Amino acid sequence: AQSVTQPDIHITVSEGASLELRCNYSYGATPYLFWYVQSPGQGLQLLLKYFSGDTLVQGIKGFEAEFKRSQSSFNLRKPSVHWSDAAEYFCAVVLYSGAGSYQLTFGKGTKLSVIP
Amino acid sequence: DSGVTQTPKHLITATGQRVTLRCSPRSGDLSVYWYQQSLDQGLQFLIQYYNGEERAKGNILERFSAQQFPDLHSELNLSSLELGDSALYFCASSEGPDGEAFFGQGTRLTVV
Repeated sequence: AQSVTQPDIHITVSEGASLELRCNYSYGATPYLFWYVQSPGQGLQLLLKYFSGDTLVQGIKGFEAEFKRSQSSFNLRKPSVHWSDAAEYFCAVVLYSGAGSYQLTFGKGTKLSVIP
Repeated sequence: DSGVTQTPKHLITATGQRVTLRCSPRSGDLSVYWYQQSLDQGLQFLIQYYNGEERAKGNILERFSAQQFPDLHSELNLSSLELGDSALYFCASSEGPDGEAFFGQGTRLTVV
């Protein structure tokens, strides 16, 4: 079945440390891929997206993500985490849902805690 | 500010009641999506409209319905409410039927 998986429910890192959040998808073709961030009580904000082309994409707030077709992955990275990055991060993919329709489907999310 | 407006921000209602959530998409966006976010289910896709027509349907209960009006705003109707319907309901919009989506701040529904 088509799906998107974020294997880490909760990650804790120290401020200034590097970060990598994992995302894997199961899909027959290369989907459109997104990372969103949600701060407590807030809506979702788009960090970055991948449609095609260069497999390393840059986003806002210093985040980047790399699409690896061979691993069906789209991991989110940041070289140095700031305390304000503490939030929940969602990987999302546009998956074909039949009858010519596509659906933006989210992973379960990874909650990031940052230790000062 | 994403440009997507949802009203109301908070809603408290009793079981068995009916409520309507409203969403105004970003200017120029033709596609509207509705999502339900709860602690146990995560972000669940409910339904998508594109230029007034239903485009895709997800895990939407029969008690729930939605529509997109000619001015492109959308409403999500929830009826015969149960305690388990308490959640954050998000609306998102995109320019096309499958592009990047911009989310509103959500409506927090509490059923008591």
